Amino acid sequence: DAGVIQSPRHEVTEMGQEVTLRCKPISGHNSLFWYRQTMMRGLELLIYFNNNVPIDDSGMPEDRFSAKMPNASFSTLKIQPSEPRDSAVYFCASSLWVTSNQPQHFGDGTRLSIL
Amino acid sequence: DAKTTQPNSMESNEEEPVHLPCNHSTISGTDYIHWYRQLPSQGPEYVIHGLTSNVNNRMASLAIAEDRKSSTLILHRATLRDAAVYYCILRDGRGAQKLVFGQGTRLTINP
Repeated sequence: DAGVIQSPRHEVTEMGQEVTLRCKPISGHNSLFWYRQTMMRGLELLIYFNNNVPIDDSGMPEDRFSAKMPNASFSTLKIQPSEPRDSAVYFCASSLWVTSNQPQHFGDGTRLSIL
Repeated sequence: DAKTTQPNSMESNEEEPVHLPCNHSTISGTDYIHWYRQLPSQGPEYVIHGLTSNVNNRMASLAIAEDRKSSTLILHRATLRDAAVYYCILRDGRGAQKLVFGQGTRLTINP
């Protein structure tokens, strides 16, 4: 079975540029999560969606970050303009939202470097 | 979110059992105990979860103390592939979806 698919796997760009990260959740999953991992802050939740609707975006660092889920099989996380401090590994995860405690399934992440 | 405390690192030998401890003294009655692990250069991976009773699956066992203030993840026969960072996470069973990751335990397996 295909897992959560993220693209690109690596992105290197200059500060000020727009960055778009993409995620395809597992088919049938109706919850989608975006996390960021850095050495300083560890793994932190940025935003999550249920049935394509954003539920909690309190982890989004600032207005430069935005996330969309136009349909059940695709989500994007956009940074505009990007800054060096945005350099991190960004993970997307999906799960079934039926009862509590459904496991989250993570993609392999996008390693983002802002120069 | 209730907090968990784990050792920063542990080391074990291949083919031996590994017991990874987690303290959660402020756990509430509706909190489930979840374990995830993260192998190098990969996203976190679900391992196991439980509420009160001990749990077993193909990956590991979870032993939960009677007062629920601590738990232990047990890998019965460690392999080199089990080298990872292991996260113990409390998750409110009343519908909480977000996972709050701490620093975890970095497990090293010696051949």
